[in-house]
Amino acid sequence: DIQMTQSPSTLSASVGDRVTITCRASQSVSYWLAWYQQKPGKAPNLLIYKASSLESGVPSRFSGSGSGTEFTLTISSLQPDDFATYYCQQYNPYSPPLTFGGGTKVEIK
Amino acid sequence: QVQLVESGGGVVQPGRSLRLSCAASTSAFRSDAMHWVRQAPGKGLQWVAVISYDGTNKYYADSVKGRFTISRDNSKNTVYLQMNSLRFEDTAIYYCARDRGILGWNPWGQGTLVTVSS
Repeated sequence: DIQMTQSPSTLSASVGDRVTITCRASQSVSYWLAWYQQKPGKAPNLLIYKASSLESGVPSRFSGSGSGTEFTLTISSLQPDDFATYYCQQYNPYSPPLTFGGGTKVEIK
Repeated sequence: QVQLVESGGGVVQPGRSLRLSCAASTSAFRSDAMHWVRQAPGKGLQWVAVISYDGTNKYYADSVKGRFTISRDNSKNTVYLQMNSLRFEDTAIYYCARDRGILGWNPWGQGTLVTVSS
C-alpha cells in the first residue's frame, strides 16, 4: 500500500502569511495527487487535482506542485476562511487502496 | 451540477447490519466510478470502497473486505454500502464521492453518521 505522510500535522499562522504543507508518498503516485480542505462538520472540499490543477471556483491563492513522491500545497496569503484541516490524497486508480495523508490543521496564531 | 445525498446512518449494535445509500441528483453520475470514504470521530479520512461506473469492478479497504459490499443502481441514480458484522471501530461519518478520473473526486455528499454501540 502507498503511505501518504503530511507535514506538519499542525501549523499556526496569521492572516496574510504564506503557508506551505508537504505531502510525501512512499512510492511514486505520478501526478495522481489531490488536496482537500475540510472544515468542522463539513465534507472535504477539493482544492487541487492532478498535483497542480486548481479546481473550478477555488481561489487562486491556493496552488499545488510536485510529482512522483513529493508534493506541496501553498496558500500565498492566508485568509480567515482558510483556517481548516488540509488532506492530501493519492487517487491513482491502478494503485488501490486509495490513501489520504493524516491531515494538517491550520490554526490561528 | 451533480449533488450527492447520503442516508441510512444510525446507531447499531456490534455484529448487526446497516445499509447506506448515496443518491445523486442527476443521471450524469452513471458514467463515473463512486467511492465511500469514512471519518472516525476526531480522525482523518479513510477510503472504504469503490465501484466502477457499470458496477462490474469493486475494490475494498482491507479493514472492511468480506464485511462490506458496495453496489449501485443506475436506474435510481443511487450507490449503496451494505455493512455487515459491524464493529465498534466502524463508527464514523460515511461520505460518498464521485470519481471524475484524473479530475479528482467531486462532489462529496454531506455524510451520514454510523455509530456502533452496545
